[in-house]
Amino acid sequence: DIQMTQSPSSVSASVGDRVTITCRASQGISSWLAWYQQKPGKAPKLLIYAASSLQSGVPSRFSGSGSGTDFTLTISSLQPEDFATYYCQQANSFPKTFGQGTKVEIK
Amino acid sequence: QLQLQESGPGLVKPSETLSLTCTVSGGSISSSSYYWGWIRQPPGKGLEWIGSIYYSGSTYYNPSLKSRVTISVDTSKNQFSLKLSSVTAADTAVYYCARHVLGPGLDYWGQGTLVTVSS
Repeated sequence: DIQMTQSPSSVSASVGDRVTITCRASQGISSWLAWYQQKPGKAPKLLIYAASSLQSGVPSRFSGSGSGTDFTLTISSLQPEDFATYYCQQANSFPKTFGQGTKVEIK
Repeated sequence: QLQLQESGPGLVKPSETLSLTCTVSGGSISSSSYYWGWIRQPPGKGLEWIGSIYYSGSTYYNPSLKSRVTISVDTSKNQFSLKLSSVTAADTAVYYCARHVLGPGLDYWGQGTLVTVSS
C-alpha cells in the first residue's frame, strides 16, 4: 500500500495569511493526488485533483503543486470559511489511501 | 445535480454485520466513467477508504478490511451497498458513500451516516 504523510498535523493562522500544507507519498504516484477540505459534521469536499487542477467552483486562492512523491496545497490568503481540516489522497492505485489530515485553526 | 444518500441502521451489535445502502439520484450508477465508493471516519479521526465498485460489479477493497467487506451494486435501483461482517467497537464511524472518478478522486459525497457498534 502507498502511505501518505501530511505535515503539519495542525497549523494556526490568521485571516489573510498564506498557508502551505505538504503531503508525501511513500512511493511515486505521478500527479495522481487529490486534496479535500472537511468542516465539522460535514462530508469532505474535493478541492484539487491531479495534483494541481482546481475542482469546479473552488476559489482560486486554493492551489496545488507537485509530482512524484512530494505535493503541496497552498491557500494564498486565508479566509474565515477556510478554517477546516484538509486531507490528501493518492489516486494512483488501489487502495486509495488518505493522509492523516491537517487542521487549520484560527490564531 | 448528483446526490448520494446513505441509509441503514445506526446501531449494530458486536459480531454482527453492518449493512448500508447508498442511493444515487440525479445521475445513473451505470455510467462507464465512474466507480462508487465507501469511506469511513471514526469519531475524531481521519478518513479511511473501504472499497469501490464499478457498475459491472468489479470491486476493489482495502486489504485491511477485505476479509470482512462486501460491496455490491443494484443498477435497477441505482444503488450500491456495503456489508461489513464481524463488527467490533473499532468499526464505529461515520460511513460515507461517494462517486469515485479514477484518477481525479471522490467528487460527490453523501452526507454520511453514523454507525455505532454496541451491545
